[in-house]
Amino acid sequence: AQTVTQSQPEMSVQEAETVTLSCTYDTSESDYYLFWYKQPPSRQMILVIRQEAYKQQNATENRFSVNFQKAAKSFSLKISDSQLGDAAMYFCAYRSRGLYGGSQGNLIFGKGTKLSVKP
Amino acid sequence: EAGVAQSPRYKIIEKRQSVAFWCNPISGHATLYWYQQILGQGPKLLIQFQNNGVVDDSQLPKDRFSAERLKGVDSTLKIQPAKLEDSAVYLCASSPGVAPSYEQYFGPGTRLTVT
Repeated sequence: AQTVTQSQPEMSVQEAETVTLSCTYDTSESDYYLFWYKQPPSRQMILVIRQEAYKQQNATENRFSVNFQKAAKSFSLKISDSQLGDAAMYFCAYRSRGLYGGSQGNLIFGKGTKLSVKP
Repeated sequence: EAGVAQSPRYKIIEKRQSVAFWCNPISGHATLYWYQQILGQGPKLLIQFQNNGVVDDSQLPKDRFSAERLKGVDSTLKIQPAKLEDSAVYLCASSPGVAPSYEQYFGPGTRLTVT
């Protein structure tokens, strides 16, 4: 079974600075998707960024980028120019690439990292 | 386009009582998920529907939890009887299909407190 580990329960960053959130995962599959989700106090899970395991190029979305190390099974999120609105819980998630349903369709989440942004 | 709707947003019940949650997915989305998020943890899948059929309910405690998706649209999740450890946020998500390339869109969740 796949597992996702986030070793940083809490992180703090100064506004406008850069912060990196860590995530490792365990799988025997060679093809899969990895995600970072943001969950503000409103509880709405919002997709931040997605990485396809077969792509070597790291995904980037504006101020958010990932460092995907497939051999090391590591998937970190870098937030540049941090803003007050970035404060939230961040979850790393894994999803199998299988085309059909069953357990391949759902997300497996880590325990999350609470990010605080100081003004 | 309207997002995933859930109600109620909050619910407080006593143990051994029953409770039901409702989810209305994004229009046209074939796949619907119910996740349980216990405080301090990431969401965990309870059940996955494809249209009105169950795809995966391997982690659903079937002795007390039940779920249905009528006509492949709205869904209800029921707990009967509730236990203290059922206190959690229950998240509903939907996606256009089953393939992992489809993004899952989450609702705001229902926070359940069992006393």
